[in-house]
Amino acid sequence: GAGVSQSPSNKVTEKGKDVELRCDPISGHTALYWYRQSLGQGLEFLIYFQGNSAPDKSGLPSDRFSAERTGGSVSTLTIQRTQQEDSAVYLCASSRYSGNTIYFGEGSWLTVV
Amino acid sequence: GQQLNQSPQSMFIQEGEDVSMNCTSSSIFNTWLWYKQDPGEGPVLLIALYKAGELTSNGRLTAQFGITRKDSFLNISASIPSDVGIYFCAGQLNTGGGADGLTFGKGTHLIIQP
Repeated sequence: GAGVSQSPSNKVTEKGKDVELRCDPISGHTALYWYRQSLGQGLEFLIYFQGNSAPDKSGLPSDRFSAERTGGSVSTLTIQRTQQEDSAVYLCASSRYSGNTIYFGEGSWLTVV
Repeated sequence: GQQLNQSPQSMFIQEGEDVSMNCTSSSIFNTWLWYKQDPGEGPVLLIALYKAGELTSNGRLTAQFGITRKDSFLNISASIPSDVGIYFCAGQLNTGGGADGLTFGKGTHLIIQP
């Protein structure tokens, strides 16, 4: 596609429920990143996929967070048993290769009530 | 992970004024990137710098890759209302380490008073 596409754009969920956020990277981009941005804050790295290599999960804040990337393209970030502190914008980004400039999607705004 | 020191944290300026912000790091980078984030949107790439000492312009924006490879600045000339937003710097090391060696600053909030 023309840009990084994320869905849903907005999600309100009840505390304790699971949520799935989807990212469709730019066509042909091998690297994919997930970041979290709390209100008015900077970008917090969550996870990084590069081709068929094992993902870098060093930024995931707890074992309630997981992500997968199927077929080297679309990625899903899953948050289990959501907590209020999970409320944030979840940003996905991709780059053609490792080390190339990354391009962001518009984010998925998650609110846990 | 390591942090970039981005300053100022916020700026309140008059329309038409020039703006300057910078990022510094204790370690070197091979690439410096500057992004802008509008309210409710994802960050959009403004300028990418790939060589120490490089000075690059994009319209009213000018950015430089510091000669020490540990800093970068972004200038905006003759600010206009649509310049409002959060500006992020990012340093990239390209070692293949965690997150592709990419580190973001905490952002500079630019607010323009008409």
